[in-house]
Amino acid sequence: KAGVTQTPRYLIKTRGQQVTLSCSPISGHRSVSWYQQTPGQGLQFLFEYFSETQRNKGNFPGRFSGRQFSNSRSEMNVSTLELGDSALYLCASSLGSGAENQPQHFGDGTRLSIL
Amino acid sequence: AQTVTQSQPEMSVQEAETVTLSCTYDTSESNYYLFWYKQPPSRQMILVIRQEAYKQQNATENRFSVNFQKAAKSFSLKISDSQLGDTAMYFCALANAGGTSYGKLTFGQGTILTVHP
Repeated sequence: KAGVTQTPRYLIKTRGQQVTLSCSPISGHRSVSWYQQTPGQGLQFLFEYFSETQRNKGNFPGRFSGRQFSNSRSEMNVSTLELGDSALYLCASSLGSGAENQPQHFGDGTRLSIL
Repeated sequence: AQTVTQSQPEMSVQEAETVTLSCTYDTSESNYYLFWYKQPPSRQMILVIRQEAYKQQNATENRFSVNFQKAAKSFSLKISDSQLGDTAMYFCALANAGGTSYGKLTFGQGTILTVHP
């Protein structure tokens, strides 16, 4: 069974641009969560989607958004990029949305660098 | 709000020896799940072990076991017979079972474990 696939693996952008990251969950998994990982802040939850609906959201500005498609694939978008958005963005999938459907399985992440 | 604290930024151990990584947490929920994840330099987060809070018995997975002390809100990971491949950053994480915690894992700051030959 294929794991969680994130594309692209690396991305370099400049301040003010926008970016879209993609995540394909494990087949049969309907919940997709996104996390931001930085050396200073560690791993922080961005949002979670289940059946194309955002069920939970972390404490991030509105520049961070996402969506989920009918095949459970998910995208996250960051607009008006700032230097502080440089991070590893991790996507994780699980069977369902509740904790009883854990664990989450993670992708390799997208390393976003802002110049 | 829930919090997870790992007080050991770095640990080292000799190959074949045993090491214990510490984790404390706080949550107002009565039902929750605790996890240890491993992130090697290749950066993919890999699940090591999982514990359901309502289960008294400590979880074990081969060389990995936990000491879950619910009253003390402590969840330590013991790695026996350490191997070079265990070198990684280890994260303790919490997921609440109820409320509005859908899909959310709360992570500790991580412990870098180095296994020396």
